[in-house]
Amino acid sequence: AQTVTQSQPEMSVQEAETVTLSCTYDTSESDYYLFWYKQPPSRQMILVIRQEAYKQQNATENRFSVNFQKAAKSFSLKISDSQLGDAAMYFCAYRSPEKLVFGKGTKLTVNP
Amino acid sequence: DTGVSQDPRHKITKRGQNVTFRCDPISEHNRLYWYRQTLGQGPEFLTYFQNEAQLEKSRLLSDRFSAERPKGSFSTLEIQRTEQGDSAMYLCASSLARDKPYEQYFGPGTRLTVT
Repeated sequence: AQTVTQSQPEMSVQEAETVTLSCTYDTSESDYYLFWYKQPPSRQMILVIRQEAYKQQNATENRFSVNFQKAAKSFSLKISDSQLGDAAMYFCAYRSPEKLVFGKGTKLTVNP
Repeated sequence: DTGVSQDPRHKITKRGQNVTFRCDPISEHNRLYWYRQTLGQGPEFLTYFQNEAQLEKSRLLSDRFSAERPKGSFSTLEIQRTEQGDSAMYLCASSLARDKPYEQYFGPGTRLTVT
């Protein structure tokens, strides 16, 4: 079974700085999708960014980018120019094959 | 497009009672998923539907849980004889199974507290 591991329960960053959240996963498949979801306090989960395993190019969405290392099964999220509104729980997820398998999450605090 | 909606948002019930939650997916989405999220954990898959057919159920879904999606539109999740361990956030998500990457869009969740 696929597993997703987020080794950082909590992270903090100063406003306008850059932070990287780590995620590793385990799979025997060669083609799959990875996602980062954001869950603000008491608000619904929203998709931040996705990566298709067959694409070598790292995905980017505005201030959010990923470092996808397929051989190492690593999928980290980099948030540049952090904003107060980025404070949330961040979940890494693997699509397997129809359902999502989530990590335990990383709580990101943004300090003004 | 109003997004995925769930009702109720909060439910407090006594142990042993039955509860039912409703999820309305995004209108054109033919796939609907249920997840459970306990405090400090990521969501865990429970079950999913494509149209009205329930295609996969997790081992987490005990006999006390049942989900339906009549007519392939809204879905209900019923928990019979609730236990304190059922206290959690129940999340619904939907997606359009036509083109990859089958992104799932989540609702706000129903928070269940069993006393």
